[in-house]
Amino acid sequence: AQKITQTQPGMFVQEKEAVTLDCTYDTSDQSYGLFWYKQPSSGEMIFLIYQGSYDEQNATEGRYSLNFQKARKSANLVISASQLGDSAMYFCAMRVRGSSASKIIFGSGTRLSIRP
Amino acid sequence: DTGVSQDPRHKITKRGQNVTFRCDPISEHNRLYWYRQTLGQGPEFLTYFQNEAQLEKSRLLSDRFSAERPKGSFSTLEIQRTEQGDSAMYLCASSHRQQGASNSPLHFGNGTRLTVT
Repeated sequence: AQKITQTQPGMFVQEKEAVTLDCTYDTSDQSYGLFWYKQPSSGEMIFLIYQGSYDEQNATEGRYSLNFQKARKSANLVISASQLGDSAMYFCAMRVRGSSASKIIFGSGTRLSIRP
Repeated sequence: DTGVSQDPRHKITKRGQNVTFRCDPISEHNRLYWYRQTLGQGPEFLTYFQNEAQLEKSRLLSDRFSAERPKGSFSTLEIQRTEQGDSAMYLCASSHRQQGASNSPLHFGNGTRLTVT
């Protein structure tokens, strides 16, 4: 089965600390892509970072990095030097093969709250 | 790039009525997706278009749901005989295949919030 699992419903972190949001996935595809999205309270979905299954290096985008461990099927998001504006829901997502075309499926999300 | 536009932003309807939502993707994007999101959950895949062809449809989608993208530009999502369980945020997203077969991210609209009373 193709599935994304995010086991942390909520996290509290002190401002300026680093935080790791967990994501594990299950797929039988050899080629797939992993995404992280941020959804603030305003509701828009904001793309953060992408990791391809064949990428040898972990993806980085500014303060965001993706800790990709293919053998463990995990794709954790690391946010360095957290800021108050990082408080939001975070979703891990995966591009998988559907019955006739690819599609992107999402995990249930982690609510991150940054304490001042 | 004006972003993905969805209309209406909010829709309140009575159980049993039909509703239709519209999505205008980013103009050069040939891929278009519909998702449904309930409170505290991640977006749930509904259907996917490449140009005007509907290539993938969730098995969870009942026959009351139908989507079209007649000219490969805007798309509509219709829900017939609405039920209270249909109350959710309906999100549209688009992407451009030529940006990379697997790494092109989805660009989301602000969604249509449906409330069925």
